[in-house]
Amino acid sequence: QSVLTQPPSVSAAPGQKVTISCSGSSSNIGNSYVSWYQQLPGTAPKLLIYDNNKRPSGIPDRFSGSKSGTSATLGITGLQTGDEAVYYCGTWDSSLSTVVFGGGTKLTVL
Amino acid sequence: QVQLQESGPGLVKPSETLSLTCTVSGASLTTYYWSWIRQPPGEGLEWIGYIYYTGTADYNPSLKSRVTISIDTSKTQFSLRVSSVTAADTAVYYCARLPAALYFTFDVWGQGTTVTVSS
Repeated sequence: QSVLTQPPSVSAAPGQKVTISCSGSSSNIGNSYVSWYQQLPGTAPKLLIYDNNKRPSGIPDRFSGSKSGTSATLGITGLQTGDEAVYYCGTWDSSLSTVVFGGGTKLTVL
Repeated sequence: QVQLQESGPGLVKPSETLSLTCTVSGASLTTYYWSWIRQPPGEGLEWIGYIYYTGTADYNPSLKSRVTISIDTSKTQFSLRVSSVTAADTAVYYCARLPAALYFTFDVWGQGTTVTVSS
């Protein structure tokens, strides 16, 4: 059972938009910055979003992040088949004194 | 270009100690924090701990009693030791960079190394 709650799966058609939610509490998302990672099949996770809504160099603006209260959201527009991956949210939990991750959301581009 | 590469035995016997090394190229170990993260088969990510070049380290409380992370700046390497391993420690182990300016964000990852605990 992950501390951060994500939907197990989402799907959408190529070219469409999808959002992935990440729900937490006041001890983690509510008082910290959220990062998002993309894990393509058989590869290591890759940083997509940091500090809630910032994109590292090289990450296209099709990917966006937002945070409100104790929840965060990853948005992906103009979906491509290459976006099929598992997406994880992560942050620091001050009560547990550890980095916590969501359970991951598998994106299928139909 | 920063690269991280994990290395170590792929098979460890129960009750023994798992030892892995991460070799860093293209970045100074003194500028960042460095971390270990693992992923059991078919499961999500679990943070293990981090270390700074000064030797300051912090660990996931659930693993703290069994984990040690060390650093060797002369070899641009940092290492992980997990003692008294069980089948639950079977996972892909990743090393990652943790910039101090980014709040607990892992911006560069190694490719990962699979460790199986079995007799």
